[in-house]
Amino acid sequence: GQQLNQSPQSMFIQEGEDVSMNCTSSSIFNTWLWYKQEPGEGPVLLIALYKAGELTSNGRLTAQFGITRKDSFLNISASIPSDVGIYFCAGRVVGNNRKLIWGLGTSLAVNP
Amino acid sequence: DVKVTQSSRYLVKRTGEKVFLECVQDMDHENMFWYRQDPGLGLRLIYFSYDVKMKEKGDIPEGYSVSREKKERFSLILESASTNQTSMYLCASSLWGGGAPETQYFGPGTRLLVL
Repeated sequence: GQQLNQSPQSMFIQEGEDVSMNCTSSSIFNTWLWYKQEPGEGPVLLIALYKAGELTSNGRLTAQFGITRKDSFLNISASIPSDVGIYFCAGRVVGNNRKLIWGLGTSLAVNP
Repeated sequence: DVKVTQSSRYLVKRTGEKVFLECVQDMDHENMFWYRQDPGLGLRLIYFSYDVKMKEKGDIPEGYSVSREKKERFSLILESASTNQTSMYLCASSLWGGGAPETQYFGPGTRLLVL
């Protein structure tokens, strides 16, 4: 199946640093979603984006729907140890509103 | 809050056994999904259902079947479990947005080990 290109694959940072990750696709999307998965749990939705150019924040997290509709990024400011987990982007291709296309995830480790 | 529950957090089965994974959601969502998650491969869609008794194949349906007899319940069935089906299985549900994009909500997952 189709997948998104998500990068970086993993990050190891110091507490307090800012983090940036992104997803790109060759297809045009009408939805971008960012999820976080903690060990042993299912993914939890962080931010949902529905319009090109949309910039949305959720606490220290900020995500944007790219103008070209083929990419999205997620920033985490002033990271803390509980930010540890795997972050997934997911999107919905125009014309297919039921299935999500998933990135492979960015594994984030935070050193206190 | 949306709640998606899965019947077991951990399961150990033997090769050849028939395995049932159950998922229940309490928010009257039309759509339900089964994924498997493996290291380095992300989430892969096995089957989904957009209504009672309706089902559609995802990207990796081989070796699996599903059942949706009630709106709130979606079951994944491994007819004859094999070791390559050892994985984390995630169930999700979403509300039909009438054509507008909708988001998926996940259960905690079932970690299945087939010996």
